[in-house]
Order: sequence, then structure tokens, then C-alpha cells
Amino acid sequence: DAKTTQPNSMESNEEEPVHLPCNHSTISGTDYIHWYRQLPSQGPEYVIHGLTSNVNNRMASLAIAEDRKSSTLILHRATLRDAAVYYCILRGFVSGGGADGLTFGKGTHLIIQP
Amino acid sequence: GAVVSQHPSRVICKSGTSVKIECRSLDFQATTMFWYRQFPKQSLMLMATSNEGSKATYEQGVEKDKFLINHASLTLSTLTVTSAHPEDSSFYICSASPNLGSSGNTIYFGEGSWLTVV
Repeated sequence: DAKTTQPNSMESNEEEPVHLPCNHSTISGTDYIHWYRQLPSQGPEYVIHGLTSNVNNRMASLAIAEDRKSSTLILHRATLRDAAVYYCILRGFVSGGGADGLTFGKGTHLIIQP
Repeated sequence: GAVVSQHPSRVICKSGTSVKIECRSLDFQATTMFWYRQFPKQSLMLMATSNEGSKATYEQGVEKDKFLINHASLTLSTLTVTSAHPEDSSFYICSASPNLGSSGNTIYFGEGSWLTVV
């Protein structure tokens, strides 16, 4: 998996939007951009993933730069429960379920202030 | 969404004994499962890839004789830490990916298992 760069930590206020950046300048044409988050003492939780177009789901939005060398995870209205470590990971598409394990970086520790 | 379950969530064992951790995919079949280890305040490190019906593939530096992996069915993989030592104390996490469908490139994680070796 190609390398990603994220800020070590970010802080935001409750009920405000949060923009978590990720740089992946060496991304290849077939790499998907995945975001996972990990709450304390829990396994990682899938958040969102995309290839080229911006993506939205009930948890978050993913904005992907036109050159795909960076992306931003957007939490539209942060709550205290969103405090977690957020990981941005690149993964090549694998059909039929065959897969490689994910390579985790250090992620961004998101702190939410009440 | 897809669910992956681990058992036990916490285990304490004596030094020199072995302990088994189970990982189950509850609502999908998974030919491949993954085992990770996470030390406090560190990121997840991939230990091995568990393949149903064949031998596991271990990452560099992970002792295959110490961390035995068995993937006997499409919904169950087990990790056995043999002759455990205090330095094996860690948070062990498994993950799996559905075999079919558009979610084939999404990986789901278990809740994790805390191992403490005393």
C-alpha cells in the first residue's frame, strides 16, 4: 500500500464541521482511498472510501482532489463520540474478496471539545 | 453492515502457557482474514494473513511457530499465542473481507482482544 501523510492531531469543537486532511502524492491509478477510525480499546471502524469522485455516506463525506494526491475526510457536525484516531489508507482494488491487509500509518488523533 | 466478532475480548494467562483467540465473520464468508497487533499508543501492525484451507502468510519478523493461525472454515480463523511471555501482552485485532459483491474491497474489523501475560 502506498504511503499517506496525516497530521498527528487535530482539535475541533462539538457540533462544528471537521476537515481531516490526508496527502498521498504517490497514489497509483488503481488505489482506492480508505478511511477508518479507531476509538479507544476498540477495533478500527470503516468510515468511507472512494476512487476519484467525492463520496458521501451517513457517517462522513470524502473530498478527493482532482489530481488524487490528497483527500479530506469531512465530518459535518462533530460529536464527542467522533473523538478517535482517523486513518487514511490507500488500497488497490481487489475483486471477489481476495485482498491484502491494510497498512496503517499513525493516523490523526481527533480531539472534540464540548 | 458486515460484522466480525472476536473472542475472548480480554484474557489473562500465565507466562509459558498458550492462549487462543477466535475471529468469526458473522454474516459473510471470508476466504482471507487478517491478524494485527497493537501496542499502547501505537498503530496497528499486520502480523499475518490467514487463508482458508491453506497456510497463513506471516509478515517479516513475526514468528510463525509462536503465533499459530488456523483458518478451518470460511467464517472462522484462530490465532494461538504459544508459550506466551509478558512482551506478548498486546491488543490483537482480526479483520476480514467479504468474498463477493461490491464490498469486496472493504475490510471489517473485530472488536479486538486484550492479552495480558503475567
